[in-house]
Amino acid sequence: KAGVTQTPRYLIKTRGQQVTLSCSPISGHRSVSWYQQTPGQGLQFLFEYFSETQRNKGNFPGRFSGRQFSNSRSEMNVSTLELGDSALYLCASSQGQGFTEAFFGQGTRLTVV
Amino acid sequence: QKEVEQNSGPLSVPEGAIASLNCTYSDRVSQSFFWYRQYSGKSPELIMSIYSNGDKEDGRFTAQLNKASQYVSLLIRDSQPSDSATYLCAVTDTGRRALTFGSGTRLQVQP
Repeated sequence: KAGVTQTPRYLIKTRGQQVTLSCSPISGHRSVSWYQQTPGQGLQFLFEYFSETQRNKGNFPGRFSGRQFSNSRSEMNVSTLELGDSALYLCASSQGQGFTEAFFGQGTRLTVV
Repeated sequence: QKEVEQNSGPLSVPEGAIASLNCTYSDRVSQSFFWYRQYSGKSPELIMSIYSNGDKEDGRFTAQLNKASQYVSLLIRDSQPSDSATYLCAVTDTGRRALTFGSGTRLQVQP
């Protein structure tokens, strides 16, 4: 059974640009969550989607947004990039009914210069 | 603010010993508890989940939960150098549908 797939694996962007990251969950999983991991702040929750609906959102500015498609694939977008947005962005997949175990993809390493 | 506290370590144990990793959480409504292992430069890998008080064993790993004390731990028996990694404790409640992570404990298993 295939795991969680995130693309791209690495990105280098310039301040002020925008970026879109993609996540394909485990087959049959309907919930996708996004997390940001930095050395200083650790792993922080961005948002969670289930059946194309955002069910929960973390404490991040509106520059961070996401969406989920009917096939459960998800994208997150960061607009007007700042240096502080440099991080590992992780997508987690779970079945979605209640809260069940979440499995992470390999992440997208974003560097803003 | 919901918090999950872990000792950052490093926790150093000799090969073959038992490694004991601890985690406390502040939110009493937390219902689900997870341990993830993260190797340097890699993403977190789920190794244990526990939902009710007591012990749960899976191979060399045992998770222990005490909701009254708001405490969850992970024991690794017969530690191997390949167990050297950062171990992340995560908690959630069914309403929030989001994991709150501790900062992780770095474990070093000395050959």
